[in-house]
Amino acid sequence: EAGVAQSPRYKIIEKRQSVAFWCNPISGHATLYWYQQILGQGPKLLIQFQNNGVVDDSQLPKDRFSAERLKGVDSTLKIQPAKLEDSAVYLCASSSGGWNTEAFFGQGTRLTVV
Amino acid sequence: AQKITQTQPGMFVQEKEAVTLDCTYDTSDQSYGLFWYKQPSSGEMIFLIYQGSYDEQNATEGRYSLNFQKARKSANLVISASQLGDSAMYFCAMREGGSYIPTFGRGTSLIVHP
Repeated sequence: EAGVAQSPRYKIIEKRQSVAFWCNPISGHATLYWYQQILGQGPKLLIQFQNNGVVDDSQLPKDRFSAERLKGVDSTLKIQPAKLEDSAVYLCASSSGGWNTEAFFGQGTRLTVV
Repeated sequence: AQKITQTQPGMFVQEKEAVTLDCTYDTSDQSYGLFWYKQPSSGEMIFLIYQGSYDEQNATEGRYSLNFQKARKSANLVISASQLGDSAMYFCAMREGGSYIPTFGRGTSLIVHP
């Protein structure tokens, strides 16, 4: 079974530029998460999708971050414009559903904003 | 308030010995799940073990076991017979049945030395 795929693995951009990350979850997983992990910290949930609907985006900085999950499968996370403090690893994860199911993570995208 | 607290920023253990990584949680939900993940230097989060709030027995998965003390709201991870490959960051996480939103602790860095 293929795991969660993310691209790119690494990205370096200048502040005020825009960037997009892509995620393909495990086939059949209805729930998809985007996390931000700043160096030395645990992952922080940015947005959670159930199929193509948003379950929670309370920690997503909506003035600069946006995410979509068209057709309930792949998802993209965009930052526009980027700030220095957005430097982090962006992790995508998926799960098959309920609160008692584990999430499977991709390898993440390491973003450096200079 | 922190929902997941991991008080040990770093732990050292000798190869083949057992080690306990602490995790305490805060929730008013009756239904919740507790998860432990391993994050090696490659960055991917690897699911290790799950404990449900209604599970009466402690979860075990190979060399991993979870010491679940519900009244004390603690869910400590025990790794038996440590191996050099166990050196990584370890994260405790919780999903509450009421919100479905997973929350991670700040992690504990484990170093296994020969």
